Amino acid sequence: DQQVKQNSPSLSVQEGRISILNCDYTNSMFDYFLWYKKYPAEGPTFLISISSIKDKNEDGRFTVFLNKSAKHLSLHIVPSQPGDSAVYFCASGAGSYQLTFGKGTKLSVIP
Amino acid sequence: DADVTQTPRNRITKTGKRIMLECSQTKGHDRMYWYRQDPGLGLRLIYYSFDVKDINKGEISDGYSVSRQAQAKFSLSLESAIPNQTALYFCATSDVRGIGSSYNEQFFGPGTRLTVL
Repeated sequence: DQQVKQNSPSLSVQEGRISILNCDYTNSMFDYFLWYKKYPAEGPTFLISISSIKDKNEDGRFTVFLNKSAKHLSLHIVPSQPGDSAVYFCASGAGSYQLTFGKGTKLSVIP
Repeated sequence: DADVTQTPRNRITKTGKRIMLECSQTKGHDRMYWYRQDPGLGLRLIYYSFDVKDINKGEISDGYSVSRQAQAKFSLSLESAIPNQTALYFCATSDVRGIGSSYNEQFFGPGTRLTVL
């Protein structure tokens, strides 16, 4: 049973436009959520997080929105840049140890 | 220097061979993790360790074992490698934080690409 779902394997966006990456989860016990970015031949790097007590967290061009009633979160990147082209993983956790990762969405930002 | 290092970066081995993947960290974190990534399957947890004396199985521990030699070192072993263990393996570390920003943020190494023939 996949507890964290990223239903779009890939996404293409023009440079300067908004990129929206989506993630759905099924476990109502998850109380914090993270986004990671991964370039080829590198490990995932932390991008932004949000706890379940918030519905929005912003860091520069990156904003994560959490809709707990829908068990849905999204990552907005505005404006998108070619260097944002990477695989983005959504991850969720409950308590203080395990993270459950989605399968990832490959973002391509076209110059 | 990288905070989380993994050796080797690439390894090709044969079915039935024993292989060890090593992870070292300079972040001073107590918690360390081993994941594998397969195409289209994301990251799946193999083992995790909260400290030197606390090691736990993750989602897919069968066929793997681990050793936490020190706070900074966490090794993953495949006792008898099989082809479906061909994957990208990542080590990660984390600190203990309270609820808020960066809760349980995990820091990943660069990965080891393992091929079992």
